[in-house]
Amino acid sequence: GEDVEQSLFLSVREGDSSVINCTYTDSSSTYLYWYKQEPGAGLQLLTYIFSNMDMKQDQRLTVLLNKKDKHLSLRIADTQTGDSAIYFCAESNNNQGGKLIFGQGTELSVKP
Amino acid sequence: NAGVTQTPKFQVLKTGQSMTLQCAQDMNHEYMSWYRQDPGMGLRLIHYSVGAGITDQGEVPNGYNVSRSTTEDFPLRLLSAAPSQTSVYFCASSYGGSVSGNTIYFGEGSWLTVV
Repeated sequence: GEDVEQSLFLSVREGDSSVINCTYTDSSSTYLYWYKQEPGAGLQLLTYIFSNMDMKQDQRLTVLLNKKDKHLSLRIADTQTGDSAIYFCAESNNNQGGKLIFGQGTELSVKP
Repeated sequence: NAGVTQTPKFQVLKTGQSMTLQCAQDMNHEYMSWYRQDPGMGLRLIHYSVGAGITDQGEVPNGYNVSRSTTEDFPLRLLSAAPSQTSVYFCASSYGGSVSGNTIYFGEGSWLTVV
C-alpha cells in the first residue's frame, strides 16, 4: 500500500532555518499536507500543496515538491522556540476522498 | 460553528470493557474518518465513511466498529477493550469528491488508556 516516510528528529538553533523532509510512494497523490502537533494537542494544518505545483510559500513556511522523486519538504525560516513540535507529512488522492496517509512525524527541537 | 467535536477527551477503561468514542461535525461534510496515533507511528486510519449508511475499513480496523446513521455523527465503538488499544484517537471530516487541502478538519483528540 501507500507509504509516507519522515525522519524522526531534527534539532536546530533559534533563528536558523529548519528543513523537514518527507518521501511518499503513491504516484497518484493529489494533495500533500503538513500538520503541526504540539504536546497534548490536536493537529493543526500548516499548509498544503496540490500535486501540480512545485513550490508554495506562506510567510515563514516554504513547501517544495519534487513529484518525480516523490519528495516533499517543509522549510521554516527564522525558526523560533514556539515552532518546537511534531510535524506530520500526509498525502491524499481524489480516489480516496478524505483518507489521509500520514508519515511517522518529525519532532523538531529548537534550542535557544 | 463547532467544527468537529470529539467526546470524551480522556477515558480509562479496564480490559474487556466496551465504550463508544463520539464524533460529530456541523459542516455537512460527507467524509468522516477515525485515526489512531501511536508514538513513532504517525496517524493510522481505522475506519472511514463517505456518506450516511456507508462505512469501510482503513489500515487498522480490528477491534473497532463504526456506523454512520446520520451525516453529522460517526461514533467509534470498542466492543472489548484491550491494552493494545491504548492510544490517542482523532476524528476528521471533509467535503466529498475532490479533496481540497483546507477542508479536512480534525477533532481535538480523545486520549484512551486501557488497563
